[in-house]
Amino acid sequence: DGGITQSPKYLFRKEGQNVTLSCEQNLNHDAMYWYRQDPGQGLRLIYYSQIVNDFQKGDIAEGYSVSREKKESFPLTVTSAQKNPTAFYLCASTPGFSNQPQHFGDGTRLSIL
Amino acid sequence: RKEVEQDPGPFNVPEGATVAFNCTYSNSASQSFFWYRQDCRKEPKLLMSVYSSGNEDGRFTAQLNRASQYISLLIRDSKLSDSATYLCVPSRGNTGNQFYFGTGTSLTVIP
Repeated sequence: DGGITQSPKYLFRKEGQNVTLSCEQNLNHDAMYWYRQDPGQGLRLIYYSQIVNDFQKGDIAEGYSVSREKKESFPLTVTSAQKNPTAFYLCASTPGFSNQPQHFGDGTRLSIL
Repeated sequence: RKEVEQDPGPFNVPEGATVAFNCTYSNSASQSFFWYRQDCRKEPKLLMSVYSSGNEDGRFTAQLNRASQYISLLIRDSKLSDSATYLCVPSRGNTGNQFYFGTGTSLTVIP
């Protein structure tokens, strides 16, 4: 079945530690996105990528980094500079051309130890 | 003004009831519109796309009013399984591949 796989499902970060969240898709979609969701809030865009080897900052990129070396993969690193990383992280993709809805992975919950 | 505004609810309705959710958006250049449902602690799932003429999918009807920058979702004959948070999602301008996500409207269908 085609879809988006995020791992791990749960992740714990120690102070000063960088952690990387994985996102893989086999939908052959060009565009991929990372969002953060906090309780009672809407999704906020962290980074997005429209094509391989290219990505742009979203609304809340500080303390995060990404790479897009392969079409299928868009990992997100939460660095130690992100002082409030506890949230639900969602990866999404679209075919890349306009007016198509996003498909989501099932998310990673990140907590501080 | 927020990019997307939704009544957070909660809406508590009995099974079989009809319920309507409203959403306003601020970017007049938005071109595409969607409703997603999100169950507790799960990812959003696409419920329906919203077309300019309005569209229906079974018990669900979506309407778009571009002049008022307003989107609605009507659910008829509510089921227990409809209990979820409903997210209104307009595109960010006319590129069509970036989106605003509302905070959602919470629905609980009561037996």
